[in-house]
Amino acid sequence: DADVTQTPRNRITKTGKRIMLECSQTKGHDRMYWYRQDPGLGLRLIYYSFDVKDINKGEISDGYSVSRQAQAKFSLSLESAIPNQTALYFCATSVFGELFFGEGSRLTVL
Amino acid sequence: AQSVAQPEDQVNVAEGNPLTVKCTYSVSGNPYLFWYVQYPNRGLQFLLKYITGDNLVKGSYGFEAEFNKSQTSFHLKKPSALVSDSALYFCAVRDSAGAGSYQLTFGKGTKLSVIP
Repeated sequence: DADVTQTPRNRITKTGKRIMLECSQTKGHDRMYWYRQDPGLGLRLIYYSFDVKDINKGEISDGYSVSRQAQAKFSLSLESAIPNQTALYFCATSVFGELFFGEGSRLTVL
Repeated sequence: AQSVAQPEDQVNVAEGNPLTVKCTYSVSGNPYLFWYVQYPNRGLQFLLKYITGDNLVKGSYGFEAEFNKSQTSFHLKKPSALVSDSALYFCAVRDSAGAGSYQLTFGKGTKLSVIP
């Protein structure tokens, strides 16, 4: 089983719909992250959390929200999806600066 | 603010030839530098990192990278490329202290194609 698991792996939705991407980890790391990958833009940080009570905005947090339900769970929500949120989303955990990524969630907003 | 530049969108190399994927960085303090690889339809996988010490860092799958402080570079290298090395490579940097120490900043990625 993967150490960092993302669900769903693929989702197609319509503009205005609420979407939640979920992430769970078995690595026991306190730090968790959500990144967005777009072709030619690399990875950009959306939100990060250093523990259950610590949530921080990244460089592109507008239009997104997160919830850290437990040390092992960190979910990303799009309250009202729009087409330019079509992207590949990655959850990651970290220890000593090294990131461990999930397999990604591909979201398409029509 | 910290930043990473990968000047080449794509690098093509013949199988068996040496390969280099370039990366330059900018941070306020001392850099922590990383290389990650992404295979199609997969997440990113850690290759190697530089924190301190020897400027030549060895990592997974025969890759190595050289930290050059004066040129602010951290180029990824491999003596003999394999077709299976074809993938997307990302360089990343984190500041050792200050506000940037909480975030890893990624370059835009370089697509490596190894030609049989």
